[in-house]
Amino acid sequence: DAGITQSPRYKITETGRQVTLMCHQTWSHSYMFWYRQDLGHGLRLIYYSAAADITDKGEVPDGYVVSRSKTENFPLTLESATRSQTSVYFCASTPGISYEQYFGPGTRLTVT
Amino acid sequence: SQQGEEDPQALSIQEGENATMNCSYKTSINNLQWYRQNSGRGLVHLILIRSNEREKHSGRLRVTLDTSKKSSSLLITASRAADTASYFCATDGGTDKLIFGTGTRLQVFP
Repeated sequence: DAGITQSPRYKITETGRQVTLMCHQTWSHSYMFWYRQDLGHGLRLIYYSAAADITDKGEVPDGYVVSRSKTENFPLTLESATRSQTSVYFCASTPGISYEQYFGPGTRLTVT
Repeated sequence: SQQGEEDPQALSIQEGENATMNCSYKTSINNLQWYRQNSGRGLVHLILIRSNEREKHSGRLRVTLDTSKKSSSLLITASRAADTASYFCATDGGTDKLIFGTGTRLQVFP
């Protein structure tokens, strides 16, 4: 399927578990981003990547790990999930910094 | 902290009326973007305005940018019930990433 996809769409996990959220885009966009959306905070950038093997921290990176071995994939890992990481996570991509971002449908993560 | 702040936080209007949302930001920018988010969905890009532009139109959307005041406005003319959504401004702060505001929730009543 063309576009940007995220999996899973919904996930419930327990505190302390490792969780990986997947993001895949078919456009070969250079840039990819991970955001979390919480009530009252809007979207906050977790990590982003300007190209394969290049990643950088955003506003709220603590507790998260990313990798980008292939241009089309940008997985986000919560190494030891905490309740404060309960949120909706959005992945986005763009061909360049002066272009629009294309968002995935989101992953709703609940940490119990 | 947020780079962009939208105002108002919430707006309720009747179909056919115009809706105006404002965005203020803190640092110099290369461009400013507006996005829409329907409940439970991902964000959808509406319009991008560059720092050397003052006004831009797209269909029923009109965006203005005042870099001296570090502010932008989004006007939706002749609103429809389908325009009900949250609207976010996003700025690049002169960097290669976007910082989003907290959004304006627009409710358009039939």
